[in-house]
Amino acid sequence: DAEITQSPRHKITETGRQVTLACHQTWNHNNMFWYRQDLGHGLRLIHYSYGVHDTNKGEVSDGYSVSRSNTEDLPLTLESAASSQTSVYFCASSEATGSPEQYFGPGTRLTVT
Amino acid sequence: AQSVTQLDSHVSVSEGTPVLLRCNYSSSYSPSLFWYVQHPNKGLQLLLKYTSAATLVKGINGFEAEFKKSETSFHLTKPSAHMSDAAEYFCVVILGGFQKLVFGTGTRLLVSP
Repeated sequence: DAEITQSPRHKITETGRQVTLACHQTWNHNNMFWYRQDLGHGLRLIHYSYGVHDTNKGEVSDGYSVSRSNTEDLPLTLESAASSQTSVYFCASSEATGSPEQYFGPGTRLTVT
Repeated sequence: AQSVTQLDSHVSVSEGTPVLLRCNYSSSYSPSLFWYVQHPNKGLQLLLKYTSAATLVKGINGFEAEFKKSETSFHLTKPSAHMSDAAEYFCVVILGGFQKLVFGTGTRLLVSP
């Protein structure tokens, strides 16, 4: 069955370190998205991609970057982790055309100390 | 700008009683709307979607929602709550052709025996 996976599921890191969160989908979807979830804010969009070599900033992109070298993967990098980036991160994917719903991964809980 | 407002941060019901989770949307044109559910420490699962077809939409696990343009509402209902329905529910609007989701802040459903 097609799926979307994230790794690691839990990560503790120190302020200032570079961190990369992995997202891998086997749906063969062109669109991929990264969100963060914080209490009182729901999910907020960090970055998104509509295809290989395409990346776009979302509403909370400062301090984050992504790259898309193939269809299956969209890694999220925190260049210099800050305590404000402690959160739960979700990756999602959707078809380029047709039905617009997104399929979500299980999430990565990141703690920056 | 398109947005959704979930009118209740918490809703408590008894098992076997009806569920009503309220959502109002703001959109300059006919939106696509979704309800997602998130069980504790899990990813998000699509419950149902409205994409300008039938205004009464049926989803999984006995949930349904009605799109009411005159009231700009998309409330989620279920005739009889089950203990397994206890979760966080998100009302979501999609930004048209950009396929970006905008999330409400969520409603936590508590179900007591």
